[in-house]
Amino acid sequence: AQSVTQPDIHITVSEGASLELRCNYSYGATPYLFWYVQSPGQGLQLLLKYFSGDTLVQGIKGFEAEFKRSQSSFNLRKPSVHWSDAAEYFCAVGADTDKLIFGTGTRLQVFP
Amino acid sequence: NAGVTQTPKFRILKIGQSMTLQCTQDMNHNYMYWYRQDPGMGLKLIYYSVGAGITDKGEVPNGYNVSRSTTEDFPLRLELAAPSQTSVYFCASSQGTGGYTFGSGTRLTVV
Repeated sequence: AQSVTQPDIHITVSEGASLELRCNYSYGATPYLFWYVQSPGQGLQLLLKYFSGDTLVQGIKGFEAEFKRSQSSFNLRKPSVHWSDAAEYFCAVGADTDKLIFGTGTRLQVFP
Repeated sequence: NAGVTQTPKFRILKIGQSMTLQCTQDMNHNYMYWYRQDPGMGLKLIYYSVGAGITDKGEVPNGYNVSRSTTEDFPLRLELAAPSQTSVYFCASSQGTGGYTFGSGTRLTVV
């Protein structure tokens, strides 16, 4: 069965520092992979997605993620975090693009 | 362009009451979904639809029902509300390429 693990429940970084949020998945073949962001009281917004091809994908708001098949990972990165990046981040996986399984989320806190 | 619209935004129900959560999208997306979000649990799929007249169960369908009579609308029905259904409910739609568009959510409390 497909599953997604986000090992970090809560991460705190200083503004301007680099960020890496971890995501590990379980699936027999190459899955479709996604990162979403949720601001307080809001719905989820798509940051980026990986279907195939280049394993480093660029998203909105300066985020990028790298697909590593050997590690079953799809970690999200940003070189310099802004205070407005404070939110909850969800990794998702799908065997078919029409039905996704979400991780439990990582809450990012940014200190000035 | 409104995207995905959910109503109501907040609701308090008494145990045993019924209600319908409304979801409408104006992007002509074939795929629509209902998720519930509980603290520390991520999002769990309740029901989904791949087109008008077609619905299927997700991971946690018990206690819920859906219908899809039009492409635009995908209401979620709670027949006998229970405290375990206290949650935040999200409706989403997509073209089938994984780029879900989410509504802003309905916060439901069952007391």
